[in-house]
Amino acid sequence: GNSVTQMEGPVTLSEEAFLTINCTYTATGYPSLFWYVQYPGEGLQLLLKATKADDKGSNKGFEATYRKETTSFHLEKGSVQVSDSAVYFCALSLYGNNRLAFGKGNQVVVIP
Amino acid sequence: DAEITQSPRHKITETGRQVTLACHQTWNHNNMFWYRQDLGHGLRLIHYSYGVHDTNKGEVSDGYSVSRSNTEDLPLTLESAASSQTSVYFCASSESTEPGQHYGYTFGSGTRLTVV
Repeated sequence: GNSVTQMEGPVTLSEEAFLTINCTYTATGYPSLFWYVQYPGEGLQLLLKATKADDKGSNKGFEATYRKETTSFHLEKGSVQVSDSAVYFCALSLYGNNRLAFGKGNQVVVIP
Repeated sequence: DAEITQSPRHKITETGRQVTLACHQTWNHNNMFWYRQDLGHGLRLIHYSYGVHDTNKGEVSDGYSVSRSNTEDLPLTLESAASSQTSVYFCASSESTEPGQHYGYTFGSGTRLTVV
């Protein structure tokens, strides 16, 4: 079935470091792919999305490219700030039923 | 502005009591969803609805029920609260789309429920 896998464990890094969070997927058809961000004490917010292969989603300095050949949608940011500390979820649309499948999320902690 | 609101933000209840969590959206979205979020499990789908009078079970539906009498509201009821249902609950909504097209969910701010 359709599913999303995110790398295990929290990510801790220093301010201005480069951030990568891996996301791979298994899907039938051509799903849309999403990254959501959850700041402490809040609900999830859509960060970026891509709807077809080779599309690049971008927002707030974050980017992710829909790679069909590697079934991946890795999230990157070139220079993180303390305010980027949050939990990040990768998700894909399930074909034909208006639902999303979420990965387990990655806690990102940015240290000043 | 359109929004999706959950109430209450925090709730403490006793084991065995019936509890209802509210979710109200003004996006006019057909699709509404309830998730619970627990450490180590990410988001798990409890129930969902694709329109008025439609409800469906998700992966962790035991002990929960929903009803959809209008487009705006999808209340989640815990029939007899248990300590295992202590969690943070999120409601979400989305537009109905053609297969292969999806615009993502809009989430509420969550309800933190503690069952003692």
